[in-house]
Amino acid sequence: KAGVTQTPRYLIKTRGQQVTLSCSPISGHRSVSWYQQTPGQGLQFLFEYFSETQRNKGNFPGRFSGRQFSNSRSEMNVSTLELGDSALYLCASSSLQGDTEAFFGQGTRLTVV
Amino acid sequence: AQKITQTQPGMFVQEKEAVTLDCTYDTSDPSYGLFWYKQPSSGEMIFLIYQGSYDQQNATEGRYSLNFQKARKSANLVISASQLGDSAMYFCAMRDFDDYKLSFGAGTTVTVRA
Repeated sequence: KAGVTQTPRYLIKTRGQQVTLSCSPISGHRSVSWYQQTPGQGLQFLFEYFSETQRNKGNFPGRFSGRQFSNSRSEMNVSTLELGDSALYLCASSSLQGDTEAFFGQGTRLTVV
Repeated sequence: AQKITQTQPGMFVQEKEAVTLDCTYDTSDPSYGLFWYKQPSSGEMIFLIYQGSYDQQNATEGRYSLNFQKARKSANLVISASQLGDSAMYFCAMRDFDDYKLSFGAGTTVTVRA
C-alpha cells in the first residue's frame, strides 16, 4: 500500500512568484491536511480538506490556498511568495476526520530567494 | 485553544537504554487524541503511536509506549532499548474532535550514543 506522496520534494522560487504543491494521500483516505514547518514557528496547521471541502483553516494569509480533488489528491498554492514562506510543507492523510492515525508525506522543502 | 508543551529541547541516551520524552497538553475538550511522531533529518514525519482520551490502557507499539496520565494531562513517550537509528526529532501532537487539526509541541531532539 503506497504511502502519502508529496511532489515536488524540493523547490526554489523567487519572491513574488507563486507555487503549487501536490499531495496524494493513502488510497482510500479522504482527509488531507497541510502543515508548515519552520525553525522559528515550528509546525503550524494550514488547512484541512475532507471530501473536497475545506473544513478547517489555520491562521495564514489569503495567499495560502488549497483544494482537494474527487480522487482525494490535494494541492496547496502560495501566491506572491515572500522570503518567510521558506519552509518544509507537510501533508497528512487520514481515512476519516478524527482518525486515530495521521500519516505524513516526506514533505516539500520550499526555498524562496 | 490547545497547547502542547515539550520541555526537553534535546536529550542524549546510550544505545540499548530506555529514554522518556515528556509531553504535557492543555485542552478543555473531553475527546481528543494524542500522537507521537519521529522526524529524522530527511524531514519525513513518521507516525509512532496514538492514545485516545478515553482509552483505559496505555498504548504500546513495539519499543514505543505512551505513559498517559489523564489527570495530569501528560502523555510521555518511552522508547525502550534505544538504537542508533532512533536519533531524530520527536514531536508530541494532539487532535481534538471538534476541529481535527493536529497541534504540535516544539519537539525534542534525541541523540543515541554508541
